[in-house]
Amino acid sequence: EAGVAQSPRYKIIEKRQSVAFWCNPISGHATLYWYQQILGQGPKLLIQFQNNGVVDDSQLPKDRFSAERLKGVDSTLKIQPAKLEDSAVYLCASSLIGQGATNEKLFFGSGTQLSVL
Amino acid sequence: DAKTTQPNSMESNEEEPVHLPCNHSTISGTDYIHWYRQLPSQGPEYVIHGLTSNVNNRMASLAIAEDRKSSTLILHRATLRDAAVYYCILRDIGSSNTGKLIFGQGTTLQVKP
Repeated sequence: EAGVAQSPRYKIIEKRQSVAFWCNPISGHATLYWYQQILGQGPKLLIQFQNNGVVDDSQLPKDRFSAERLKGVDSTLKIQPAKLEDSAVYLCASSLIGQGATNEKLFFGSGTQLSVL
Repeated sequence: DAKTTQPNSMESNEEEPVHLPCNHSTISGTDYIHWYRQLPSQGPEYVIHGLTSNVNNRMASLAIAEDRKSSTLILHRATLRDAAVYYCILRDIGSSNTGKLIFGQGTTLQVKP
């Protein structure tokens, strides 16, 4: 079974530039999550999609971050403009059902490591 | 969401058992206890979960205290590949459940040869 695919693996940009990350979840998974992981910390949820609708984006800095999930499959996360504090690993995860499920697993990709200089 | 407390780091010798503790004194009746681990340069991966009874799978065992205020992840025979950050997470499956996981700091496990 193919896992969660993310690209690029690494990205280096200068502050005030824009950047986009792409995620392809496991086939058939309805729920997709984007997490931000700053060095030395646990992952923090940025946004959760159920199919192509947003379930939770309370932690997403909406003045600079945006995300979309077209047709309920792939997703992109964009930062514009980037700040130094956005340097982190951006992880995408998916699960079969998500909201309302009893106890399913989340499957994570390997992440995109972003460095903002 | 209820919080968990884990030691920042632990050390183990290769081929010995490892007991990773987790305190969750404010756990509610609908909270399941989940463990994920994160190997270097990878995303987290599921290890095990339980509610009240002890659980075993091919990766590990989960021992849950009778009052459910603490739990222990047991790796029966640590290998160098088990060196990772281990996260203990409470997951509410009640009406507010959205499926998300809320991660804490976790325990960094070092395994010495």
